[in-house]
Formats: sequence, structure tokens, C-alpha cells
Amino acid sequence: GQQLNQSPQSMFIQEGEDVSMNCTSSSIFNTWLWYKQDPGEGPVLLIALYKAGELTSNGRLTAQFGITRKDSFLNISASIPSDVGIYFCAGSNTGTASKLTFGTGTRLQVTL
Amino acid sequence: GAVVSQHPSRVICKSGTSVKIECRSLDFQATTMFWYRQFPKQSLMLMATSNEGSKATYEQGVEKDKFLINHASLTLSTLTVTSAHPEDSSFYICSARDRAGGPTGELFFGEGSRLTVL
Repeated sequence: GQQLNQSPQSMFIQEGEDVSMNCTSSSIFNTWLWYKQDPGEGPVLLIALYKAGELTSNGRLTAQFGITRKDSFLNISASIPSDVGIYFCAGSNTGTASKLTFGTGTRLQVTL
Repeated sequence: GAVVSQHPSRVICKSGTSVKIECRSLDFQATTMFWYRQFPKQSLMLMATSNEGSKATYEQGVEKDKFLINHASLTLSTLTVTSAHPEDSSFYICSARDRAGGPTGELFFGEGSRLTVL
């Protein structure tokens, strides 16, 4: 199936640093979502974006829905050890009963 | 918040046997549930859409006779991996949407079920 391309694939950062990751698609989505997955668990929703150009924050997390509807980015400010995990973007079109197409994932590791 | 529970969380079986995985929405009703598969260090790939009271819709390349899906009630969907083989070993994750939330309501994911076929 189709996948969204995320970059970077993985990153090591120091505690306190800001993090930025993005997600691009060859096709348009009406909804963009960002999830975090810890090892051996299901993904947990971080932020949902419903309008092109929308910028939304959730605590230290900020995400934007690209104007072209083909991309999105997620920023994490002042990273902490519990930010470790895999971050997935996902695209959805409500007309398809909310099936999600997931990105390739960005693995975040934080060093103290 | 809404909870989706999967059972079992881990299962090990012999090659050739069938395994059933349950996905339950604990405090909401879901007319649609989704089944995903995730190989190690890879993304989630949608396998099928489970519709309450009707047949599941499978994604291209997913064998419907191999992965049987039953959505018998508004709170339960099951995935049965029939005649499992080692290549079926994977992490299977379901998700469900509260039907009261409408088309933009949040999708909730289960905690996943890790299948290992020996």
C-alpha cells in the first residue's frame, strides 16, 4: 500500500533540544495526524490537523498541515527523556471511512 | 478516555495452527474497526476494514481467506490468522472510531498483539 515518507528516519538529540520532523506524500490528504508509538504498544494520537495551513499545538508539540495538503511537520520543543519513541504521521480522507495511511516513522532517541 | 483493548497481547503458536485475536472497544460503540500489521522497525500497514454486520473490506494483496475478520457486534472485531506460518509473525494492531464522534472523531488504537509462529 501507499506510504508517506518521513524524515529523518532516526535522530539522536540531547535533552532540552528542539526536534523537527516532517512527512511528505505524493497525494492529497484531508486530515493529517501525528502519533507516537512506544515499543510493544499501539500508537497514541498526539495532534490532529483538519485544515490546510492549520498550525496546532499540544503542550511542547506543534504541528502544521501543509498548504498543498501533501505534507506536514511536527516540532517538539525542549525534549525530555520520555519523548523517546517512534513518531508516525498519518493521512486520512474522510470519504474513505477514515482509513489511515501511515508514514515510515521517525525514531527519536534522547541522550541525557 | 476511550479504550480499545486487544487480546491476547502475545501469542506463540505452531506452524499450521489458527490464531484468533480480539479487538474490543470498552466504553464506546464502533461500527468500523481497522486491522493493521506492523513488522519490526516498519510502519503500520492497513490490512482490512471491519464493518459491523457485514463483510470486511480487504486491502490489495491481503488474502481474505488467510485473515478472517468478523465484526459481530458494535464493540468486538476478531482477526483469525488461519494456518499460520512463520512469515505471518508480526505485530497486529486494531483501531476503532467512536461512532458518536462522526467522521472526524478520534481513532483509538489497541495495544497490539504480537504473534510468533514457530
